[in-house]
Amino acid sequence: QTVVTQEPSLTVSPGGTVTLTCASSTGAVTSDYYPNWFQQKPGQAPRALIYSTSHKHSWTPARFSGSLLGGKAALTLSGVQPEDEAEYYCLLYYGGARVFGGGTKLTVL
Amino acid sequence: QVQLVQSGSELKKPGASVKVSCKASGYTFSDCAMNWVRQAPGQGLEWMGWINTNTGNPTYAQGFTGRFVFSLDTSVSTAYLQISSLKAEDTAVYYCARDARYYDTTDYWGQGTLVTVSS
Repeated sequence: QTVVTQEPSLTVSPGGTVTLTCASSTGAVTSDYYPNWFQQKPGQAPRALIYSTSHKHSWTPARFSGSLLGGKAALTLSGVQPEDEAEYYCLLYYGGARVFGGGTKLTVL
Repeated sequence: QVQLVQSGSELKKPGASVKVSCKASGYTFSDCAMNWVRQAPGQGLEWMGWINTNTGNPTYAQGFTGRFVFSLDTSVSTAYLQISSLKAEDTAVYYCARDARYYDTTDYWGQGTLVTVSS
């Protein structure tokens, strides 16, 4: 059973920068896993932010960026806004299957 | 604009069945595969699998075989998730989510359908 691991929680100050990571139990995450990132606020459906490691959707704010960092997928928020407080999920592709990470609860304080 | 509109909340007894619908609009339905994602109360997202909207061929993730069935009615651009022999642990919000046509991502999501299983 493949496990995708994210930090359970992180806290950042408004205007600050924070990086969330996404690791795979199978080894280093590469672009072949097509890392995706989603934001979910309470009571709402998830919203797609990043696909294929670093590509943004047309609606993704510029302060969000994706990358590979130390064998993991990473989502960096620069100039964090209060409205960025949410749960963030990564999704990795394993051939025909996909696995979500457990999510990171980001608190803006 | 692309929209995925799901059916309303359901309250079912253990052992019953439920069918959740996801009506797509704003694009050609057969161009994009449809995924199903489960979120139990207070828990994370689980990818359940996807259905090819051209062929109707479903792919189920581990843990979602047997009682879970994905289907389509292309005449009304609608995808369905049917769950049989419901158990209390099936209580969750179920989302449909469209695969983008040219990229490896799910770009648009339905609003979610809460299925509650309780006696």
